Amino acid sequence: AQSVTQLDSHVSVSEGTPVLLRCNYSSSYSPSLFWYVQHPNKGLQLLLKYTSAATLVKGINGFEAEFKKSETSFHLTKPSAHMSDAAEYFCVVSDRGAGSYQLTFGKGTKLSVIP
Amino acid sequence: KAGVTQTPRYLIKTRGQQVTLSCSPISGHRSVSWYQQTPGQGLQFLFEYFSETQRNKGNFPGRFSGRQFSNSRSEMNVSTLELGDSALYLCASSPSDYNEQFFGPGTRLTVL
Repeated sequence: AQSVTQLDSHVSVSEGTPVLLRCNYSSSYSPSLFWYVQHPNKGLQLLLKYTSAATLVKGINGFEAEFKKSETSFHLTKPSAHMSDAAEYFCVVSDRGAGSYQLTFGKGTKLSVIP
Repeated sequence: KAGVTQTPRYLIKTRGQQVTLSCSPISGHRSVSWYQQTPGQGLQFLFEYFSETQRNKGNFPGRFSGRQFSNSRSEMNVSTLELGDSALYLCASSPSDYNEQFFGPGTRLTVL
């Protein structure tokens, strides 16, 4: 079975400072991992994905994430927060080879950016 | 390419009624998944369809059902609505297995 734990339900940063959103996963097989962002009253937008290629994955809007198998982590980072980054972020895992296709979402981390 | 579209965007129903939500995937995408999003439970997987076949189902009661048509468009139906069914229902499509999913804007269902 697959699962995702987002370690912080709410993160608050000042504009221009680094962002770190933490995610740990559990997977029985080789996972695909994703980060999605949801702005208020909007659908989900893909930020980046890991599918067993490079462990450091670059996404849109300056975000990146590093896959660490030994730590079962896939933390999302950004060097400098912008006001427009304020949103809810979801870490997502999909098991490959499990015989079924299903995304499992974390509970989400709400990012606030203080001017 | 047009994105995933969902209709209607907003819906208000009363307890005991039934509702049908529609989703049109991105052209060429054959996999369609449905999710329920609530403040308390977060995003929960409902079911996934591929080439008109339900391949996977989440842990929801039988009141929740869906189908997919030959053009990949999908509908989900909720019968005998309960207050707890109030939620944002999201549809997502994918070009193939284990790829990222592309989400629509959702249908916000309010049950009174």
